[in-house]
Amino acid sequence: DSGVTQTPKHLITATGQRVTLRCSPRSGDLSVYWYQQSLDQGLQFLIQYYNGEERAKGNILERFSAQQFPDLHSELNLSSLELGDSALYFCASSARTASSGNTIYFGEGSWLTVV
Amino acid sequence: AQSVTQLGSHVSVSEGALVLLRCNYSSSVPPYLFWYVQYPNQGLQLLLKYTSAATLVKGINGFEAEFKKSETSFHLTKPSAHMSDAAEYFCAVSDRSGSARQLTFGSGTQLTVLP
Repeated sequence: DSGVTQTPKHLITATGQRVTLRCSPRSGDLSVYWYQQSLDQGLQFLIQYYNGEERAKGNILERFSAQQFPDLHSELNLSSLELGDSALYFCASSARTASSGNTIYFGEGSWLTVV
Repeated sequence: AQSVTQLGSHVSVSEGALVLLRCNYSSSVPPYLFWYVQYPNQGLQLLLKYTSAATLVKGINGFEAEFKKSETSFHLTKPSAHMSDAAEYFCAVSDRSGSARQLTFGSGTQLTVLP
C-alpha cells in the first residue's frame, strides 16, 4: 500500500459527459501528480500541484482540469469525454518535487471507460 | 528535455535465469533515474532509484541497477527470476535542474517468466 488513495477505482460513462477523479496523497506529501496510462500513449504526465499551486503541466487536454485543495487532496476533472479518453488515471504524491530525487508514490489508479 | 528508451517491449526468461531489462536515458545533465514495476491491475511500485550516490543501486525483491554515465544506461537486473517477477517494468527519469519536476517514463517492458 503506497498510502495514495484514489476514488473511484472504476468508472464507466458516456461520451460527452463529465467526471471527477479524486486523490488523497500520502500523509505529509505536498506534491500531487496526475498521469494517464493508455495502450497507445503509455504513461503520460498530465499535471502537478505543490501545496495548492500548479507547478508543472504536461500533455493535459484543455477539456481536463485539476486542482489541489487546502487539505492537499486533489481532483482531476474530465469533461466532454471522448472514447479516446478511456484510460487508467494515476495520482501520485511526493514530499517535495521529483527534481529533488524524492520518491514519487503512486496510487492504484482510476479506470475510466468511455462508451 | 530528458527522455528514456526501454529496449524490448517484451522479455521472456526462464525461472531461475538472469533478468536484464534495458534502459537508456537522454539528459543534458546526470538525471535522477527510477525503475517502477506494475503488476496486473495494480499501481506503480518503486523498485529502486539512482540519485547520485553509489552507481550500483540495490532495490526491493532482489533487483539492482547500475548507472553508467559513459553508456547513458540504467539497466535493471536480477540474478535469478521468480514466477512472481512477471509484470511490466518502467524506467523513468527526472531532471535535476528544477525546471522539470515530473517523471518521464519509458514505454515499458513486459517481463514473462517461463516455468
